[in-house]
Amino acid sequence: NAGVTQTPKFQVLKTGQSMTLQCAQDMNHNSMYWYRQDPGMGLRLIYYSASEGTTDKGEVPNGYNVSRLNKREFSLRLESAAPSQTSVYFCASSERITGGRDTIYFGEGSWLTVV
Amino acid sequence: DAKTTQPPSMDCAEGRAANLPCNHSTISGNEYVYWYRQIHSQGPQYIIHGLKNNETNEMASLIITEDRKSSTLILPHATLRDTAVYYCIARTIGGSNYKLTFGKGTLLTVNP
Repeated sequence: NAGVTQTPKFQVLKTGQSMTLQCAQDMNHNSMYWYRQDPGMGLRLIYYSASEGTTDKGEVPNGYNVSRLNKREFSLRLESAAPSQTSVYFCASSERITGGRDTIYFGEGSWLTVV
Repeated sequence: DAKTTQPPSMDCAEGRAANLPCNHSTISGNEYVYWYRQIHSQGPQYIIHGLKNNETNEMASLIITEDRKSSTLILPHATLRDTAVYYCIARTIGGSNYKLTFGKGTLLTVNP
């Protein structure tokens, strides 16, 4: 059982380039999330998808777009990368968007450097 | 969700119990206490959660005070692999997961 899988694990981009981070989960979860984590900081929510076909902005959505391709997959796109987007990105999923009892499962992270 | 307060860092000797405190003095009756940890360069990992009663699983024990204003995560026999940042989070029953907030947590260093 792979859980939450992210690709790529490492990426270096030049300022202005675009790229897409891919995420897939095999737990049949309805809800998926994208977080970023900067050095010494906690996780900050970028976008989330409560269910297939829906997406919503989180705390720091500027400069990003997302696509919930199907129930399994949730991608994060940087249209024009900026050095401020250098960070570690985590995809996560949970059975539902609400509940309080739900456990959120995280991927292993994608290290992105924008030069 | 209620704000939680944790010490920024703690040390523990290998093989000893690690007791990580968390203050959540404004927690309401419908909020769970959750613990996650993040080992360096990995994604956060769920550890345990509780509402009122103490909880135990294969990873840890969670002790919640009777007034629910604080809790302690106990790793009974810490190993070097338990070195990580530990996050204490208050989550509302029925609340939205997208509001889950990871603060700075406690860096637990397990020493040989």
